[in-house]
Amino acid sequence: AQKITQTQPGMFVQEKEAVTLDCTYDTSDQSYGLFWYKQPSSGEMIFLIYQGSYDEQNATEGRYSLNFQKARKSANLVISASQLGDSAMYFCAISSGNTPLVFGKGTRLSVIA
Amino acid sequence: GAGVSQTPSNKVTEKGKYVELRCDPISGHTALYWYRQSLGQGPEFLIYFQGTGAADDSGLPNDRFFAVRPEGSVSTLKIQRTERGDSAVYLCASSLGNLQPQHFGDGTRLSIL
Repeated sequence: AQKITQTQPGMFVQEKEAVTLDCTYDTSDQSYGLFWYKQPSSGEMIFLIYQGSYDEQNATEGRYSLNFQKARKSANLVISASQLGDSAMYFCAISSGNTPLVFGKGTRLSVIA
Repeated sequence: GAGVSQTPSNKVTEKGKYVELRCDPISGHTALYWYRQSLGQGPEFLIYFQGTGAADDSGLPNDRFFAVRPEGSVSTLKIQRTERGDSAVYLCASSLGNLQPQHFGDGTRLSIL
């Protein structure tokens, strides 16, 4: 079975600063993907970034980057230059092939002006 | 282009009633997923379709829950004899397939009185 652990229930960051949201995972599969989603208070789940288990380089997408450390089974999300609109719940998830996403409990990020 | 569409956005009904929740995926997405999200939790998998067939229904909590996707596009999640514990946000997602990001609809907030 796959599992995602997000140990930070809540995080605060000053506007324009960078923040790292932690995610560790457990899987017995060799091929898998790691995903991060943002869920604002309005409720929609917004796909942010994806990292494949065989990707050698860390994924980046605008202000989002994924610090992928395969040996440690971690896939932390780094948000640079935080904006007030980044305040939301952030979920890390894992999938292998066509299996459904397994989500963590999420981290609530609050950006302070 | 159009994203995943879910209707209704909100549904309030009495305990014991039957409800149907509809999901219209992104055009061309062969994979369709249903998840359920309770307050303060990450989404939990219910059922996954590849084309018209249910490839994995292991997340359905009991036989009161059933889902169909007769033409490989729109899917309907059906809940019989609703219970108060069924109250949650029901999320639908679709993807192009293997290890592709899942794109979510805005969800249906189901409240059982």
